[in-house]
This record gives sequence, C-alpha cells and structure tokens, in this order.
Amino acid sequence: SQQGEEDPQALSIQEGENATMNCSYKTSINNLQWYRQNSGRGLVHLILIRSNEREKHSGRLRVTLDTSKKSSSLLITASRAADTASYFCATRSGNTGKLIFGQGTTLQVKP
Amino acid sequence: SAVISQKPSRDICQRGTSLTIQCQVDSQVTMMFWYRQQPGQSLTLIATANQGSEATYESGFVIDKFPISRPNLTFSTLTVSNMSPEDSSIYLCSVERLAGPSYNEQFFGPGTRLTVL
Repeated sequence: SQQGEEDPQALSIQEGENATMNCSYKTSINNLQWYRQNSGRGLVHLILIRSNEREKHSGRLRVTLDTSKKSSSLLITASRAADTASYFCATRSGNTGKLIFGQGTTLQVKP
Repeated sequence: SAVISQKPSRDICQRGTSLTIQCQVDSQVTMMFWYRQQPGQSLTLIATANQGSEATYESGFVIDKFPISRPNLTFSTLTVSNMSPEDSSIYLCSVERLAGPSYNEQFFGPGTRLTVL
C-alpha cells in the first residue's frame, strides 16, 4: 500500500519560478528519498534525508523533513524547462529494504 | 551511483505469453528489488530478489506469476508469466548502495515498458 501522499498532484509554473512539492507519510521512518522520473522512464535519485536531519541541499534542490508532522517538502529554485518531470517521495522504515512511494507530483515548467 | 541496465527496454507481447526481463548492475550489491509502475501510477514493490534463494514477495504478488532469479550479486531476472493486458506496465529493477553508516540509497534501472495486447 502507498504510504506517502504528495501534493499538489500537478504543478505548472513558468521558467525561473520556484516549485514546491510536499509529501506526507504515515509511519515512522529511517529516511526519505526524492526521485525524478522523466516521461515514464527510469527514476533518478535526487536526494536522501535521514530522520534526524531537518534540511538538506543539493544544487537547486532543498529538502526539508518534519518528523513531528510526518511530512517533507522538495523545493526546486530557479526552475528550468528541463525540470519538467514527475517527482516522487519514498520512505523507508528500517536501515535497509523496501521503499514505499508516494503518488507523485507532475511538474511542468513552461519556457 | 550504481549503473543499472535492463533488457529489453520495451516489448509488445500477446496475452498468454511470458516475458523475462534482465537486470544487470555494474558492481556487487546486497539488495535488488523489482517494482511495477502501472500507467499513470506510482511504483509498487513486487519482490526482493535474494541471491541464491527464493525471492521475497509483497502482498498481492506470487511466484507463479512473477518468478524471479538472482544467481549472483550483479544480475537478476523477472518473468511476467501468462500475461494479460492488466500486466501492461513499466517494470523497474532497483538496487541498494550503502550511503552512510546506517542508511542506504536506492537506485533504479531505466525500466522495461511492457504492453500486452
């Protein structure tokens, strides 16, 4: 069963704007990972944030984690048309093993 | 990150037939997984491929329908048996890599897009 819920389901912005996607989950986690998927192709691993971390940066990406609210957000700054893709959060309860994916957010960045 | 390849990248099959998907990793990994992504949906774990032993299946997936092999630490196959149109999906291989002292990152192959007529 899906643990994560993401909102919005779809997001359309202009190039240069920031995009924020949110993910909520139900059970306690060890870590949370964000992925990007272009046009039904393979998933690209973007960033992992551990349960004892609150914020993490990677280039134009900023991820936050609030374990008290069981939620995470992914911020893409200064978006580009190439950022157009589906973005998924995935949680893991233990140190290893299966990921449980959210439903994903489809982002469209208009040039 | 691990480099993962899958074959075939896509296929169109007739109902009632079977298709075997191969997953090759460029380095030895402890954990390998198979996921399914139905059209417009998120990913669902089918099973964990265990090296040298039977795979561990998630609820709703059975070995007769999705037999899995993992003869070594870099290779695995997933067979979709007796296919029906409902099996039309993207099938993704995934591996885990140690990223820190107590956590692993998971990486995905490019996927196999299966269409069953």
